[in-house]
Amino acid sequence: EPEVTQTPSHQVTQMGQEVILRCVPISNHLYFYWYRQILGQKVEFLVSFYNNEISEKSEIFDDQFSVERPDGSNFTLKIRSTKLEDSAMYFCASSDPRLTGYTFGSGTRLTVV
Amino acid sequence: DAKTTQPNSMESNEEEPVHLPCNHSTISGTDYIHWYRQLPSQGPEYVIHGLTSNVNNRMASLAIAEDRKSSTLILHRATLRDAAVYYCILRQSNYQLIWGAGTKLIIKP
Repeated sequence: EPEVTQTPSHQVTQMGQEVILRCVPISNHLYFYWYRQILGQKVEFLVSFYNNEISEKSEIFDDQFSVERPDGSNFTLKIRSTKLEDSAMYFCASSDPRLTGYTFGSGTRLTVV
Repeated sequence: DAKTTQPNSMESNEEEPVHLPCNHSTISGTDYIHWYRQLPSQGPEYVIHGLTSNVNNRMASLAIAEDRKSSTLILHRATLRDAAVYYCILRQSNYQLIWGAGTKLIIKP
């Protein structure tokens, strides 16, 4: 069964550093998303991406965040200057053109120290 | 804010059916009802979704009330591997999924 692949599985970074989280969505999917889950809390929507541009973003997705689909297969989330409160699991998801279920990756655990 | 209400937790015996309820009284005509589950330390996993009619797939069944203000996820024969947090989510017309706290399903052997 097709999978959404996320790398790395765990990233530790110092506060103020830039991080890039990588995702390979399912190949025939056209809609891509980033969600995050702070430990013990709800899953939160960050951003959706379609047709090479952001279609929706939440209040969390401020100027420190950006997304990119650099080569037609990867989908990246960049955090420019990480803060302690950015520590969370970050999930990438994609969905197909018929917008049925969303397929999630297994996540990247980001720890900011 | 989440637009769905679910019990915090439920327990069930292995190999018995499980009915997980969800209330969504403010659902709009274009909102799809989605169910996902999350096993410990894993990403969310799609279970099933529907709009108005009841739906069946290999994982579960979804029963949707006639007024669409509530739905029930049915696991026909629970196994220990079904222990997870189950989320009932309304997928809005902007394709966002707004997550609530979900129901933690505990399966007793």
